[in-house]
Amino acid sequence: QITLKESGPTLVKPTQTLTLTCAFSGFSLSTSGVAVGWIRQPPGKALEWLALIYWDDDKRYSPSLKSRLTVTKDTSKNQVVLTMTNMDPVDTATYYCAHRRVGASYFDYWGQGTLVTVSS
Amino acid sequence: EIVLTQSPGTLSLSPGERATLSCRASQSVSNSYLAWYQQKPGQAPRLLIYGASSRATGIPDRFSGSGSGTDFTLTISRLEPEDFAVYYCQQYGSSRYTFGQGTKLEIK
Repeated sequence: QITLKESGPTLVKPTQTLTLTCAFSGFSLSTSGVAVGWIRQPPGKALEWLALIYWDDDKRYSPSLKSRLTVTKDTSKNQVVLTMTNMDPVDTATYYCAHRRVGASYFDYWGQGTLVTVSS
Repeated sequence: EIVLTQSPGTLSLSPGERATLSCRASQSVSNSYLAWYQQKPGQAPRLLIYGASSRATGIPDRFSGSGSGTDFTLTISRLEPEDFAVYYCQQYGSSRYTFGQGTKLEIK
């Protein structure tokens, strides 16, 4: 049974760096072809893909946010970490991590999401 | 970047009716790389359809996907009360993922 859960601060100030952790179980990020993605959703708005990290530590980022994002993994802890620098109120959103199975182009398991508010 | 445009923005129907949701891409999308999700308030998205027409595990057969190239459709053959939600299409291409803006399916 695959599960994912996001954790991190609920409130960050403008210009600060956000660090979110995705703790997962039921799969290994050392298995060839597996990946974990990050997606966010501002309140009342659509989903936006942010980043993806593969089993082999290859990474992909949204072009519009690439300069602000870093994704890393700790395979031994079954965790993926997303950092986003220079936070702004427009970054207020629910942040999700999600599992991408081998060879897939979609996300089949999602965490519950964590709401991050950016405000001074 | 491929842009996905979903229509209509809101669809008002009654239980038992048929729902047809559209997703149009700004460039051709490989059928293998088009998915649909359902999202209910306060919940994470749920995968419904992948590869444009394959149902995900546990998805009822009243949900079906079709289309190719730039035009894709999600059809719900007979609406159940639990189907009223927001639906998103998603594509993968050039090492990036994009989502449509969503269609809200509401009870008439």
